[in-house]
Amino acid sequence: AQTVTQSQPEMSVQEAETVTLSCTYDTSESNYYLFWYKQPPSRQMILVIRQEAYKQQNATENRFSVNFQKAAKSFSLKISDSQLGDTAMYFCAFRDFYGGSQGNLIFGKGTKLSVKP
Amino acid sequence: ETGVTQTPRHLVMGMTNKKSLKCEQHLGHNAMYWYKQSAKKPLELMFVYSLEERVENNSVPSRFSPECPNSSHLFLHLHTLQPEDSALYLCASSQDSTNEKLFFGSGTQLSVL
Repeated sequence: AQTVTQSQPEMSVQEAETVTLSCTYDTSESNYYLFWYKQPPSRQMILVIRQEAYKQQNATENRFSVNFQKAAKSFSLKISDSQLGDTAMYFCAFRDFYGGSQGNLIFGKGTKLSVKP
Repeated sequence: ETGVTQTPRHLVMGMTNKKSLKCEQHLGHNAMYWYKQSAKKPLELMFVYSLEERVENNSVPSRFSPECPNSSHLFLHLHTLQPEDSALYLCASSQDSTNEKLFFGSGTQLSVL
C-alpha cells in the first residue's frame, strides 16, 4: 500500500525567506502523481503544485517549486520569498496514475507552516 | 472564491440526532467526493460519486449515508454518530473520477457530543 510521510509537524520561516518542506512516499508503481496542497485557516484545501512521476523536470508555480527525487521517493516543496499569506497547513499527497481507487489521494499528516513578520 | 460550497460551516449534534451535510459545486464537474479530516490523522476518502453513481465506498460505517441527486449536489446524511466521528468533513469535485485535480470546499466542522 502507498504511504506518504511528512516528518516535520511544524515549521516557521521569516517573511521573505525561503523554506523547504519535506515529503517521502512509498509505492511500487512507476507512474503516479504527487501533489502539495495548502490548507489555510479558512480550511479550504488548495492545490499548490502537481508533479507527474514520468516527468523528470521539477514542477514550478511562481514562488513554489518542488525537488522530485524519484529514486529516493522524495518530493519536497520549496517556498521562496515567503509571505504572511503562506501561513497554513501543507499536505503532501500521492495518487496512482491509473486511479485504481478513483479519486483516492493518499495524504500525509501535514506540516504546519508559520510565516513570521 | 471557491467553486465548491459546503454548508453548514459548523455543526454540533448529539449522538441520537439526524443531520445532513450539503455540498454544491459550480464547476461543471462530474465527480464528487467526501473526505474526513481528523485531528493528527491523514485525510481519509469516504465516498466517490461519478455521474451521480457511487463508485467507491471505503468501508465507511452505515451511520454515514451519502446521496448524490445530481452532478452538482452531494449530501452526507448522519445518524446515531459517535464522539469519534467528530472531524472536519471536506467535499471535493473533479472533472471526472479519473481526473487527478480535485477542488475542495471549506468543510463542515462536526462535533458529536
